[in-house]
Amino acid sequence: EAGVAQSPRYKIIEKRQSVAFWCNPISGHATLYWYQQILGQGPKLLIQFQNNGVVDDSQLPKDRFSAERLKGVDSTLKIQPAKLEDSAVYLCASSPDRSGYGYTFGSGTRLTVV
Amino acid sequence: KQEVTQIPAALSVPEGENLVLNCSFTDSAIYNLQWFRQDPGKGLTSLLLIQSSQREQTSGRLNASLDKSSGRSTLYIAASQPGDSATYLCAVRRGGNKLTFGTGTQLKVEL
Repeated sequence: EAGVAQSPRYKIIEKRQSVAFWCNPISGHATLYWYQQILGQGPKLLIQFQNNGVVDDSQLPKDRFSAERLKGVDSTLKIQPAKLEDSAVYLCASSPDRSGYGYTFGSGTRLTVV
Repeated sequence: KQEVTQIPAALSVPEGENLVLNCSFTDSAIYNLQWFRQDPGKGLTSLLLIQSSQREQTSGRLNASLDKSSGRSTLYIAASQPGDSATYLCAVRRGGNKLTFGTGTQLKVEL
């Protein structure tokens, strides 16, 4: 079974620039999550999709972050404009249901804002 | 607001030692608790999942316990090996499948 795919693996941008991350979940997983993990901290949920609808985006900084999940499969997370404090690893995860079983993370995108 | 704390933040032990990692959470109304492992530059790998009605789960040399009423979980690793070196994260799940993570324990097992 293929895992959760994310790209790019690394990205370095200047502050005020924009950046986008891509995620392809495990086939058949209805739920997709984006997490932000700042160095030395645990991951924090930014947004959760159920198919192509948003379930929870309460911790997403909506003035600069946006996310979409077209056709209920792939997802894109965008930051515009980026700030220094956005430097983090952005992790995508997917799950088949709400039980917790099969909850699978991708390898993440490491973003550095300079 | 749910808060999850992990102690210690870092741990270094000699190979072969048994060890315990601790996790505490402030809101006991959880659906389940999950332990993950994170290797440098990698994503998270699920190790054990304990339902709120369960007391413990075992997988190989790993044993996780849950005391929901006191808001505590422990991950016991028996006969540690250098390959166990990683960051261990616990996370609690409420409705909606949203996970709240602790800050992790960075484990180093030395030869």
